[in-house]
Amino acid sequence: KAGVTQTPRYLIKTRGQQVTLSCSPISGHRSVSWYQQTPGQGLQFLFEYFSETQRNKGNFPGRFSGRQFSNSRSEMNVSTLELGDSALYLCASTLTGGGQKLFFGSGTQLSVL
Amino acid sequence: DAKTTQPPSMDCAEGRAANLPCNHSTISGNEYVYWYRQIHSQGPQYIIHGLKNNETNEMASLIITEDRKSSTLILPHATLRDTAVYYCIVSRYTTSGTYKYIFGTGTRLKVLA
Repeated sequence: KAGVTQTPRYLIKTRGQQVTLSCSPISGHRSVSWYQQTPGQGLQFLFEYFSETQRNKGNFPGRFSGRQFSNSRSEMNVSTLELGDSALYLCASTLTGGGQKLFFGSGTQLSVL
Repeated sequence: DAKTTQPPSMDCAEGRAANLPCNHSTISGNEYVYWYRQIHSQGPQYIIHGLKNNETNEMASLIITEDRKSSTLILPHATLRDTAVYYCIVSRYTTSGTYKYIFGTGTRLKVLA
């Protein structure tokens, strides 16, 4: 069974641009959650989607948004990029998100210049 | 939200047991403790989880104190490949009927030859 796939693996953007990251969960998994990881703040929860609906949201500004498609694939978008958005963005999938173990992708390393 | 506290770093000799502590003094009765590890720039990998009983699998053992306020992850015979950042996580059941995963800042374990 293929694991969680995130694309692209690396991305370089400049301030003010926007970016879209993609996550394909493990086949059959319906819950996808997103995390931001920085050296200073560690792993921080962004949001979780289940059956195309956002179920949980972390404390991030509205510039961070996401969506989930009917095939459970998910995208997250960051608009008006700031230098502080440079981070490793991880997505994780579970069957239903009900307290089950998370399966993580390898992440997208975003650098904002 | 339940929080976790871990020592920032630890060293362990190869072949010896690595004991990684975690404090989760604000944990509630229905919150699980999960352990993940992350090798440089990859997604976190699941190790083990538990509610109140001690658990063991092929990778590690998890010892949870009777009051559930702390736990210890034990890698019985550490190898160089166990060098990673280890995260102790609490999964919290929310009033909306979903789970949130609260990550600590992790312990950087270095296994020494």
